[in-house]
Amino acid sequence: DAGVIQSPRHEVTEMGQEVTLRCKPISGHDYLFWYRQTMMRGLELLIYFNNNVPIDDSGMPEDRFSAKMPNASFSTLKIQPSEPRDSAVYFCASSLSGHITDTQYFGPGTRLTVL
Amino acid sequence: AQSVTQLGSHVSVSEGALVLLRCNYSSSVPPYLFWYVQYPNQGLQLLLKYTSAATLVKGINGFEAEFKKSETSFHLTKPSAHMSDAAEYFCAVSDPLPGGSQGNLIFGKGTKLSVKP
Repeated sequence: DAGVIQSPRHEVTEMGQEVTLRCKPISGHDYLFWYRQTMMRGLELLIYFNNNVPIDDSGMPEDRFSAKMPNASFSTLKIQPSEPRDSAVYFCASSLSGHITDTQYFGPGTRLTVL
Repeated sequence: AQSVTQLGSHVSVSEGALVLLRCNYSSSVPPYLFWYVQYPNQGLQLLLKYTSAATLVKGINGFEAEFKKSETSFHLTKPSAHMSDAAEYFCAVSDPLPGGSQGNLIFGKGTKLSVKP
C-alpha cells in the first residue's frame, strides 16, 4: 500500500486566500484524522471521521476551518479565509478500526505558510 | 483528562551511546501509550505501543520502552545510538472517548534527538 497520501506537500499563500488540503487514507481504513503541528502547541487533533462521518470536530480552531470526507478514499481540510497564524504543518492519519489501541498511520504532511 | 510530558526538548548523544528519552503521563484510567518518530520532512511513524500486556515493550529499530505505573512513566531507550536515529520523538497517550471507542492521541511536545559521530 502507498500509505496515507497528502497534497500538496507545501503551500504558500497570502492572507485572506482560501486553502484546501487533501488526504487519501490507506484503503480499508475506517478512521481518518486531521492534525496540526506548530512549534508553540505541538501536535493537535483537529477533527476525525469514522466511515466518512465527522465524529469530533472540537479541535477545529474556528469557523474558518472546515473538513469534509465525501467518500472513503478522500478528505479535505479547508481554511477560508487563511491567516498568518494558520501557518503550520497539517497531517492526515488513518487507522483500520476504532479500537483504542489501533495504530494511526500518518501522511507526510502539508507545510502551509500564510504570508 | 490525559496528558503527556516529555522532559527535554533536545537530547544529544554520541554514536554508540545509550539513548534515553523521558515521558511521563497523567491518566485517570489505565493508559495506552505510544512512541512515534518523525524524521525530517516526514510524517510520524509508530515505534512501539503499550496496550496493557507486557510492561517492557519492544519496537522497531532496536528501541524499547518500559511502562512503570508507580512512576507514571514510559521512557524510551536504545542501548546504542546510530546516526540514523537522529529525529524527533513523540510520546502519546490514547484518550478514550465516551463509549470506549477510538481514542484521540494526546501528544507530548516532542524531543529532538541529535547523534554526534
